[in-house]
Amino acid sequence: QSVLTQPPSVSGAPGQRVTISCTGTSSNIGAGYAGHWYQQRPGTAPKLLIYGYTNRPSGVPDRFSGSKSGTSASLAISGLQADDEADYYCQSFDSSLSAWVFGGGTKLTVV
Amino acid sequence: QVQLVQSGAEVKKPGASVKVSCKASGYTFAHSDINWVRQAPGQGLEWMGWMNPYNGEVGYAQKFQGRATMTRDTSTSTAYMELSNLTSDDRAVYYCSRHIEGGTGQGYWGQGTLVAVSS
Repeated sequence: QSVLTQPPSVSGAPGQRVTISCTGTSSNIGAGYAGHWYQQRPGTAPKLLIYGYTNRPSGVPDRFSGSKSGTSASLAISGLQADDEADYYCQSFDSSLSAWVFGGGTKLTVV
Repeated sequence: QVQLVQSGAEVKKPGASVKVSCKASGYTFAHSDINWVRQAPGQGLEWMGWMNPYNGEVGYAQKFQGRATMTRDTSTSTAYMELSNLTSDDRAVYYCSRHIEGGTGQGYWGQGTLVAVSS
């Protein structure tokens, strides 16, 4: 069981908007530690999508956005494309574990 | 450009150890921590620990304390992760990663190294 909780799967039609939640606690997201989102396609290394909850690295389309509220973070993807089909992971630091932790991952299906 | 190139796939017997390498280029190796993350087949990402290449300081996830050892060779800009007493549960792809400039998000990743454990 992951310290950060994500829905196992989400789906949406091309062009639609989906959101993926990441629920933590006062030891990680709620404590003000940095949080990040990664996209991982099958057979490839994860790719940093959002860092510091809301910032996009260079090259990441503005269709991807992040937010944080209290002990939770969210990733929103607008204008869904078939190429967005992938697994998405949130990450934060947990002070009680003194470790970086990942969410369990969310599989996005573009139907 | 920043690159992390890992060593090739390994097959080990139960109880053995494996040492995975991660060769860095395109930046000053000593200036950025290296993290290790693994992913078992069909499973999520699992953070194993980090290493400061400048002074060798390390930190491990509790699960890997006593079994993982992270080291480096600054002369070749290479980081190493050794995992001992392997079991079938250690079958996974092991990744090294580095944070982006000005943040802690892991923006640079190695290609991954598959470690299989089989008798």
